[in-house]
Amino acid sequence: QKEVEQDPGPLSVPEGAIVSLNCTYSNSAFQYFMWYRQYSRKGPELLMYTYSSGNKEDGRFTAQVDKSSKYISLFIRDSQPSDSATYLCAMSAPGRAGNTGKLIFGQGTTLQVKP
Amino acid sequence: KAGVTQTPRYLIKTRGQQVTLSCSPISGHRSVSWYQQTPGQGLQFLFEYFSETQRNKGNFPGRFSGRQFSNSRSEMNVSTLELGDSALYLCASSPGHGNTGELFFGEGSRLTVL
Repeated sequence: QKEVEQDPGPLSVPEGAIVSLNCTYSNSAFQYFMWYRQYSRKGPELLMYTYSSGNKEDGRFTAQVDKSSKYISLFIRDSQPSDSATYLCAMSAPGRAGNTGKLIFGQGTTLQVKP
Repeated sequence: KAGVTQTPRYLIKTRGQQVTLSCSPISGHRSVSWYQQTPGQGLQFLFEYFSETQRNKGNFPGRFSGRQFSNSRSEMNVSTLELGDSALYLCASSPGHGNTGELFFGEGSRLTVL
């Protein structure tokens, strides 16, 4: 079983829809939770970052972390065709200095927003 | 501010050969991490370098190695290439301090092994 599980999709929605993307994880040591967006033939770019439990909002994007359920979500409101990409959840655990660059990624969910 | 630069962007090798990939981090970033991305396994952590020292390593065989130079630029090497090494190799940089995991990725080097 993978440490981080994410439904690869693909997920297809009409423009303007609310999109919900989710990941579950098994390692209770994870404290930092991130969502990356990756366009075709590009590297991932950081979209949202959350420490521990709670919600974080940035424009049309909202990230939620529920550590008790080991479940994180990303919501996209008023989705646009330009949101079509692969969304990757990522997590890391604190510890001795040296965990900065080591992230555990989900498989990624491919999203298509149709005009 | 320039982003993370990876070279070459595309390359084709045959089994048994070796390959060296290069990464220039964002100016001022001292940590460089390498990841392998494949359709089947997704993004997997290879190793991280900070101040010319490897400080974290993933579960890859010894054929995968890396190094970092005093200017923070990094290279990774894969020896005795196998078909399964075909992948997108991504480099990511970060300031290196703290423990947040906020990484800035390059566009990757796509390796095809024939």
